[in-house]
Amino acid sequence: AQSVTQPDIHITVSEGASLELRCNYSYGATPYLFWYVQSPGQGLQLLLKYFSGDTLVQGIKGFEAEFKRSQSSFNLRKPSVHWSDAAEYFCAVGSANNAGNMLTFGGGTRLMVKP
Amino acid sequence: GAVVSQHPSRVICKSGTSVKIECRSLDFQATTMFWYRQFPKQSLMLMATSNEGSKATYEQGVEKDKFLINHASLTLSTLTVTSAHPEDSSFYICSAREPAQDITDTQYFGPGTRLTVL
Repeated sequence: AQSVTQPDIHITVSEGASLELRCNYSYGATPYLFWYVQSPGQGLQLLLKYFSGDTLVQGIKGFEAEFKRSQSSFNLRKPSVHWSDAAEYFCAVGSANNAGNMLTFGGGTRLMVKP
Repeated sequence: GAVVSQHPSRVICKSGTSVKIECRSLDFQATTMFWYRQFPKQSLMLMATSNEGSKATYEQGVEKDKFLINHASLTLSTLTVTSAHPEDSSFYICSAREPAQDITDTQYFGPGTRLTVL
């Protein structure tokens, strides 16, 4: 069974500082990997996804993530955090060879941004 | 593109009543929709997968008679919480995918519905 671990429940960074959110997955086949962001009381917005090809994926809002198969990781990064980035971030893995697939989510990382 | 809406955004009801939540894909046809439940400060838990024109597939531990799902068209799925009780209070989020156009099976999420049962 597939699983996703986000080791950091909370992270606080200063505005303008760089950010890295960790995500480790467990899946036997080639995974599809996603990062979503959720603002309080809102649904989830897709930031970026990895399907195949270039392991460094660019997303919206200046985010990027790097797929490292050897480490089973898909960490999310941003070079300079803005106060509006404060939110909950979810990493998810989807199957790559099943038609009707579900996503498995990590527990989430709550990002707080200090002024 | 790929916008998913939910209605209502918030609902408060009395214990024992039923509540219907709608999930619509606004600019694409969603052959598959998913319903999730999210407790405060927790991750999303998949409740069921809904395929247009067929019965929903429920995850283990989810009561199908309590959480009725209907996916009658390619743009609309409904979740009805029957005989709601306070423990059903939660944030319900739907998502939709259109695999014919996106082989990565990306799910696009609605804004969620906050259900409070008194």
